[in-house]
Amino acid sequence: KQEVTQIPAALSVPEGENLVLNCSFTDSAIYNLQWFRQDPGKGLTSLLLIQSSQREQTSGRLNASLDKSSGRSTLYIAASQPGDSATYLCALMDSSYKLIFGSGTRLLVRP
Amino acid sequence: DAGVIQSPRHEVTEMGQEVTLRCKPISGHDYLFWYRQTMMRGLELLIYFNNNVPIDDSGMPEDRFSAKMPNASFSTLKIQPSEPRDSAVYFCASSLWLTVKNTEAFFGQGTRLTVV
Repeated sequence: KQEVTQIPAALSVPEGENLVLNCSFTDSAIYNLQWFRQDPGKGLTSLLLIQSSQREQTSGRLNASLDKSSGRSTLYIAASQPGDSATYLCALMDSSYKLIFGSGTRLLVRP
Repeated sequence: DAGVIQSPRHEVTEMGQEVTLRCKPISGHDYLFWYRQTMMRGLELLIYFNNNVPIDDSGMPEDRFSAKMPNASFSTLKIQPSEPRDSAVYFCASSLWLTVKNTEAFFGQGTRLTVV
């Protein structure tokens, strides 16, 4: 059974710092991996999608990488800002076309 | 497109009552997903549809839960009878099958259900 783990569960950093969020999965038979952002009381906003054949995707200050062989993905946030404070979730599409979520990393960027 | 639209945004109901949650997917999307989010269990997939047909409902917790998709632009999730442990945020998501690798999911704002 596919399991998705996100470490750390919570992270607090000062503004301007570069940071890395981690996502690991147990079964490498995935089609893609998506990173989402969720603000308190809100829905999920898709940030980046990495296809299984890709190594990384970039959007602005965000860079997501994927290493299927080791079962890992990272989300790199450059020059963090207080507006980046949110919960970040990774989700992967498994071999049965289900989107399986990790439990998220709650990020606080302090001014 | 206005995105995935869910209604109501908030629902408070008494235990034993029937609750119906509604979802309008993005026009043209052929996959629709229902998720439940709680602090304890995170996001759980309840059921998903492809071209209005339920494909996998193994995540539906009990027979009290049922979901339908009568047409491509509308889906419902019904709980009957509701119980306090059903209190959660219920999300609907839709996606367009471009290729299996390039299918991106878009989520609605969710329905916050409280059963008292």
